Amino acid sequence: EVQLVESGGGLVKSGGSLRLSCAGSGFTLSSYSMNWVRQAPGKGLEWVSSISSLSNYIYYADSVKGRFTISRDNAKNSLYLQMNSLRAEDTAVYFCARDYMGGGGSCCGYWGQGTLVTVSS
Amino acid sequence: QSVLTQPPSASGTPGQRVTISCSGSSSNIGDNTVNWYQQLPGAAPKFLIYGNDQRPSGVPDRFSGSKSGTSASLAISGLQSEDEADYYCAAWDDSLNAYVFGTGTKVTVL
Repeated sequence: EVQLVESGGGLVKSGGSLRLSCAGSGFTLSSYSMNWVRQAPGKGLEWVSSISSLSNYIYYADSVKGRFTISRDNAKNSLYLQMNSLRAEDTAVYFCARDYMGGGGSCCGYWGQGTLVTVSS
Repeated sequence: QSVLTQPPSASGTPGQRVTISCSGSSSNIGDNTVNWYQQLPGAAPKFLIYGNDQRPSGVPDRFSGSKSGTSASLAISGLQSEDEADYYCAAWDDSLNAYVFGTGTKVTVL
C-alpha cells in the first residue's frame, strides 16, 4: 500500500524558514515524480512544486519561486521542501503527492494527510 | 487566480446525473491531459480521473471524464450522498510551466 507521511509543519514568524519532509513507503520513490500541493484555510488547491524521479526536472509555482526549494533523497525514500522567507500568505496545509504513474505527467495519484504551516506576522 | 475555471457549486438529488465543467485555454487543457480530484470534507484529495477520461483502480464507473478543445467535464451519474465533496480539475500549463488546478466545485446532494 502506498503511504506518504508529511512532517515538519508548525508555527513560524514571517521571514522565517521551515523544512517539510515526506516519507514514502509501499513503493520505490526513485521511480516516480513527486509534488507538493498546498491548501490555504477555506481555499482551493494550489500546486507548489514538482521534481522528476532523478531530480533533473524541477518546477515551481511563481508564488514560491526563489523562496522554496524542492529536493529528494531516493535512498531514503523521502521528499523535502525547504521554505525560506515565509509570508503570511504561505499559511496552508501542505500535501506531498506522488505521480500516479512513472514517467511523469500524472500528478497527483497518491496523497499524504498534509502538514499545517502557519506563518504569523 | 486560477487559469482553470469551474462553477462554484453544483447539486442534484440521489440517483441524478451531475456534470461539472472546467474551462481553460490552449496552453493548458488545449494541449495537455486533464486530471480530476475529489476532496471530501476534512480529508486529503483523492485522484479521480487522469488522462482526460481514465479512472484509477478503485474509482467507481459512476465517475467519468471528457475533454473537448479547451474545456473538460466531469460527470457523476447515479449521485450518492457520499459524493458530496469538492471537485477540482487540473492540467499542466505550457506557458506558465506549472501545474494548475481549477477553482473547485462544491457538489451538494439534496
